[in-house]
Amino acid sequence: LAKTTQPISMDSYEGQEVNITCSHNNIATNDYITWYQQFPSQGPRFIIQGYKTKVTNEVASLFIPADRKSSTLSLPRVSLSDTAVYYCLVGDTGPDSGAGSYQLTFGKGTKLSVIP
Amino acid sequence: DAGVTQSPTHLIKTRGQQVTLRCSPKSGHDTVSWYQQALGQGPQFIFQYYEEEERQRGNFPDRFSGHQFPNYSSELNVNALLLGDSALYLCASSQPLDSVNTEAFFGQGTRLTVV
Repeated sequence: LAKTTQPISMDSYEGQEVNITCSHNNIATNDYITWYQQFPSQGPRFIIQGYKTKVTNEVASLFIPADRKSSTLSLPRVSLSDTAVYYCLVGDTGPDSGAGSYQLTFGKGTKLSVIP
Repeated sequence: DAGVTQSPTHLIKTRGQQVTLRCSPKSGHDTVSWYQQALGQGPQFIFQYYEEEERQRGNFPDRFSGHQFPNYSSELNVNALLLGDSALYLCASSQPLDSVNTEAFFGQGTRLTVV
């Protein structure tokens, strides 16, 4: 399983765009990149998943360069409620991965603090 | 539609005791995975159940065992509790393996404290 490296913590003011970068130099061909959000004393919540280029949903965007050795989660105009830990996961969790889909490997994540 | 539900929410046990945690998956989901999350750490995969069988296992001792019932609900059992087993135990469920949607849905967790 590919190892990921992401900043331990980040601070941002309300209304700003936040970009959290994750390094995954050993990503494999079948690996997808997935981001989860976790609030204190709650289970993680899926944010976004991608394989290459750019993926956007109603919550965030995920930018993946051509070499796929890193990825950036972009949160537009953060609010206080976006204060949470954000996890970058890399693994064979794509639509064709079968039984391996759900053995998720979490690192320590990035603790994002949004300041008023 | 209820999401993933876990019980109990909090539990205090004494070293050496045994504990059983329960999980009901989200409606339509047939795969259940269990994770242990120590304070300040990310969740660590314990094992996954599908079709009432343990399909994958993480690096956890045999003191950790589980079960999945025909209605897809699941139990996590931990024997001979150690102080180091104190953690938030998370259950995650997912759609059938032939689904294109691989998103895992997590419950709120059970906070286990071993004293």
